Amino acid sequence: NAGVTQTPKFRILKIGQSMTLQCTQDMNHNYMYWYRQDPGMGLKLIYYSVGAGITDKGEVPNGYNVSRSTTEDFPLRLELAAPSQTSVYFCASSITQGSWQPTTEAFFGQGTRLTVV
Amino acid sequence: QQQVKQSPQSLIVQKGGISIINCAYENTAFDYFPWYQQFPGKGPALLIAIRPDVSEKKEGRFTISFNKSAKQFSLHIMDSQPGDSATYFCAASRGYSTLTFGKGTMLLVSP
Repeated sequence: NAGVTQTPKFRILKIGQSMTLQCTQDMNHNYMYWYRQDPGMGLKLIYYSVGAGITDKGEVPNGYNVSRSTTEDFPLRLELAAPSQTSVYFCASSITQGSWQPTTEAFFGQGTRLTVV
Repeated sequence: QQQVKQSPQSLIVQKGGISIINCAYENTAFDYFPWYQQFPGKGPALLIAIRPDVSEKKEGRFTISFNKSAKQFSLHIMDSQPGDSATYFCAASRGYSTLTFGKGTMLLVSP
């Protein structure tokens, strides 16, 4: 089992460029998440998805877009890169049986370190 | 508004000592309190978690203490080892909602 796989691991973007961070999981988890991690700031939720075709904003969604066409994949799109988007991005997934079931363990990918110059 | 406050930001402990990291939360509806461990260059991984129906949970050298009335929970690492040097995050969630993370604590265990 590969778990949660993110690509690329590192990327340097110029201001105004666009890119897609890829995330795929092979655990058949229904929930998937994108977090950004900045030094001393913890993990902030960008977007999440509770299943294919369903996405919702997290705490810091501005400047990002997501889609979830399959259970396995949850790409994060940056349309016009800005220096404020320099960060480490983590994708995660978890399984929840239904609205009556509590949150379970979230599995994280290895991260993508993005620098916008 | 920060819903989960974590302290200290950094911590240095001698090998064999006890590491203690504290978290306080504001939302009384939270019902799941995990701790994640993150090594440099890696993603966070679940270390141990507790639900509010118990006051303590122990797994090996790691213990969560939970104080519902004070809205606080803490991670204790007994007999700390250099291999425990990492960043630790507390988190909380309600029902099936997403996790809210603390800002993290960088732990260094000196040999």
